[in-house]
Amino acid sequence: NAGVTQTPKFRVLKTGQSMTLLCAQDMNHEYMYWYRQDPGMGLRLIHYSVGEGTTAKGEVPDGYNVSRLKKQNFLLGLESAAPSQTSVYFCASIYGGGHTNEQFFGPGTRLTVL
Amino acid sequence: GEDVEQSLFLSVREGDSSVINCTYTDSSSTYLYWYKQEPGAGLQLLTYIFSNMDMKQDQRLTVLLNKKDKHLSLRIADTQTGDSAIYFCAERSNDMRFGAGTRLTVKP
Repeated sequence: NAGVTQTPKFRVLKTGQSMTLLCAQDMNHEYMYWYRQDPGMGLRLIHYSVGEGTTAKGEVPDGYNVSRLKKQNFLLGLESAAPSQTSVYFCASIYGGGHTNEQFFGPGTRLTVL
Repeated sequence: GEDVEQSLFLSVREGDSSVINCTYTDSSSTYLYWYKQEPGAGLQLLTYIFSNMDMKQDQRLTVLLNKKDKHLSLRIADTQTGDSAIYFCAERSNDMRFGAGTRLTVKP
């Protein structure tokens, strides 16, 4: 199993550009999450999904959109990037709903918006 | 919203015990987690505790949970230089919330 993978690993955008970050997992996990990590602020939840075709807002959803068209993929979109979105983005997944099991993390995507 | 708080820095000498503390506010939390992050890497789950437990031990790691005070701690016995990292506390109810992380520095 590849686990949780993220594409791309690094990206530099100009203000106003758009892009999509891809998260893929091959563990048949139901729940998937997108976080951003900023210095001194830990991880903040952007959006999450409890299953194929469903999405929900987290703590900091503004400026981002997500889609979960296939169970194994969770896409994070930035329609018009802003410098405040410079961050490291982590995707994660969990097998079941409920409150059990390890949350598996991807390696992260480092995004810089100029 | 609900918060998870932890101190930002901890420094210990090699061989000593480290205790990292965390407080949370969500009374509906059912699982509480400790993650470790090394430079340039993602988060690695160290251990977790169900909210109806008050202690869990796993080799050098001991987790204590005081549900009444919403206080969680992670004790690392015989701390080694390889334990130097950022440690994140997290709580899970409907979603999952993380603290800002405690940077543990282990001095030889």
